[in-house]
Amino acid sequence: AQSVTQPDIHITVSEGASLELRCNYSYGATPYLFWYVQSPGQGLQLLLKYFSGDTLVQGIKGFEAEFKRSQSSFNLRKPSVHWSDAAEYFCAVVPVMEYGNKLVFGAGTILRVKS
Amino acid sequence: DAGVTQSPTHLIKTRGQQVTLRCSPKSGHDTVSWYQQALGQGPQFIFQYYEEEERQRGNFPDRFSGHQFPNYSSELNVNALLLGDSALYLCASSNSYEQFFGPGTRLTVL
Repeated sequence: AQSVTQPDIHITVSEGASLELRCNYSYGATPYLFWYVQSPGQGLQLLLKYFSGDTLVQGIKGFEAEFKRSQSSFNLRKPSVHWSDAAEYFCAVVPVMEYGNKLVFGAGTILRVKS
Repeated sequence: DAGVTQSPTHLIKTRGQQVTLRCSPKSGHDTVSWYQQALGQGPQFIFQYYEEEERQRGNFPDRFSGHQFPNYSSELNVNALLLGDSALYLCASSNSYEQFFGPGTRLTVL
C-alpha cells in the first residue's frame, strides 16, 4: 500500500547535539517530498522540499534533508539543535501519478530538546 | 502578504449539528486544500478545490462537503457532526506543488 512512514514517534536530543529524523515512503514512482514543522496549536510550516536534482536539499532554520532513491528515504537532519526546534515534524509526499497535488503525511515525530 | 487565513479559530458544537469553516488563500494562489488533523495524528487529506471544482477527494464521507468561490476562498461544511469529527482542520493554498498552511480551526464536538 502507498504510505509514508516515520518510524520514531518521539525523539529527545540535547541542545547542541545533531539530529536525524527518519522518513520512508512506499510509492511506485518517486513522489515529491516535503518536511513540515508544527509547533503546538499551530499550522504547518514548510522546512524544505525535493522535486528532482541534487539529492541533498537545504531548508530553513538550518535544516537539510537527503533523498536516497535506493532506500526510498528522505531523512531530515540538523547539525546542532536549538531549544526552539522542539516541535512536531511531519514528512509528506505528493504522489506524482495522481491529478492534483494532495499531500500525504506521515504520523509525525515529536522532538524534545533537553538543556 | 497576509498568508492563509482561517476562521473561526475555535468552535464548539454538539453531535448532529452542522458546521462551516472558512479559508482565505494566500495572494496569487488558486488552489485550496482541506485537511483534518486528529489529536496525535498527521493531517489527513479531505479534498482539494481548483477553479471552483472539487479536483481531488480523500477518504471522507459525504457529510464533508466544500465550496470554492470566484475569489478562490473556500468553505468546508460538515453535516451531522459526530464526536469523532473533533479535530484541527487545516486549510492550505497553492499555485504549484508547494502548499502553504493556515493556522487551523479547532473543532470540538460534544
